[in-house]
Amino acid sequence: QKEVEQNSGPLSVPEGAIASLNCTYSDRGSQSFFWYRQYSGKSPELIMFIYSNGDKEDGRFTAQLNKASQYVSLLIRDSQPSDSATYLCAVLTGANNLFFGTGTRLTVIP
Amino acid sequence: EPEVTQTPSHQVTQMGQEVILRCVPISNHLYFYWYRQILGQKVEFLVSFYNNEISEKSEIFDDQFSVERPDGSNFTLKIRSTKLEDSAMYFCASTPGYEQYFGPGTRLTVT
Repeated sequence: QKEVEQNSGPLSVPEGAIASLNCTYSDRGSQSFFWYRQYSGKSPELIMFIYSNGDKEDGRFTAQLNKASQYVSLLIRDSQPSDSATYLCAVLTGANNLFFGTGTRLTVIP
Repeated sequence: EPEVTQTPSHQVTQMGQEVILRCVPISNHLYFYWYRQILGQKVEFLVSFYNNEISEKSEIFDDQFSVERPDGSNFTLKIRSTKLEDSAMYFCASTPGYEQYFGPGTRLTVT
């Protein structure tokens, strides 16, 4: 049974701080991982993806992947109130569809 | 920047009625998907479509569901006889081959 686990939160951080969002997955054969942001009532918006062990940076966002520990994380530097949303971790299955976690709700406090 | 579009944004229907949800994927994308999200729950895969045929479907995608690409731009999801539990947000997504881009969704309310 494929599982993608995320802490549902809410995770609260002050404006300007680093927000750290974590995700674990059960299928050791998983290769590609995606982070989406979802505002309330809106659709998932792709932030970034990662498929190699290590870090991948894009602006204020850094994705980290550790396949040995089956762990993916997303760091958001200099958090802004506009970053307040639910962050979805997703794993690309062998059939090329996305398997999502339940998401972590982030609140950035001004 | 090209976007996936979906219509209608909100559909209200009575139980047992047929509904068709429409999507226009990004024009040069080759793979298309439907996902749904029941209120307060996670996003769930329904079906993927490539080269004018279904490539994968989930357990949710039973005989009540069908997909079609009736022309070169539209991609539709039909639910033949809606049930109360079909109430959800339905998202269309497309990809050129890797990262998937989601449309704004159709909120389906079955009464």
